[in-house]
Amino acid sequence: EPEVTQTPSHQVTQMGQEVILRCVPISNHLYFYWYRQILGQKVEFLVSFYNNEISEKSEIFDDQFSVERPDGSNFTLKIRSTKLEDSAMYFCASSVVRGSYNEQFFGPGTRLTVL
Amino acid sequence: AQSVTQPDIHITVSEGASLELRCNYSYGATPYLFWYVQSPGQGLQLLLKYFSGDTLVQGIKGFEAEFKRSQSSFNLRKPSVHWSDAAEYFCAVGLSEYGNKLVFGAGTILRVKS
Repeated sequence: EPEVTQTPSHQVTQMGQEVILRCVPISNHLYFYWYRQILGQKVEFLVSFYNNEISEKSEIFDDQFSVERPDGSNFTLKIRSTKLEDSAMYFCASSVVRGSYNEQFFGPGTRLTVL
Repeated sequence: AQSVTQPDIHITVSEGASLELRCNYSYGATPYLFWYVQSPGQGLQLLLKYFSGDTLVQGIKGFEAEFKRSQSSFNLRKPSVHWSDAAEYFCAVGLSEYGNKLVFGAGTILRVKS
């Protein structure tokens, strides 16, 4: 069964450093998403992406964040200058088509620890 | 404001006992409703979803959920819990006017005792 994969599973970085989290969505999916979950808190939507552009973003997704689909398979989330409060589990998801009624398939997550 | 509430942070049930996990939402319209499960170290797996039609929906692993419009609820149930059901369960809603995003509840951690 096709699945969303994410690398690395755990990333440790120093405050102020740039990190890139990588995701490979399911191959025939067209919509891609990033969510994050700070320890002990809710899963929060960050951004959705379609046709090589952001279709929606939350207020969390400020100028420190960017997303890119650098090739036909990868979808990345970059945090330009990490802060302590960026420590969280980051989930990538993908769906076949637009619309929140369509199932979003989630990856296993990348745990980001900022020291 | 849009919100999803899961009032129980932790629930402990005995293996073989029945289970009900609560979820309430506050939106003007009927949202699309989902239950996801997350086992330790795993991603979020969809258990079931409700879009329209029959208000009792069946999902994977023997789970079902009932949508009650009058109570703005979408509670998850299982008649007989197995030890492997121990995990964290998330209710989520989506609204077409809010685009593609899902709004999640805080989650309920299920412990199963033998």
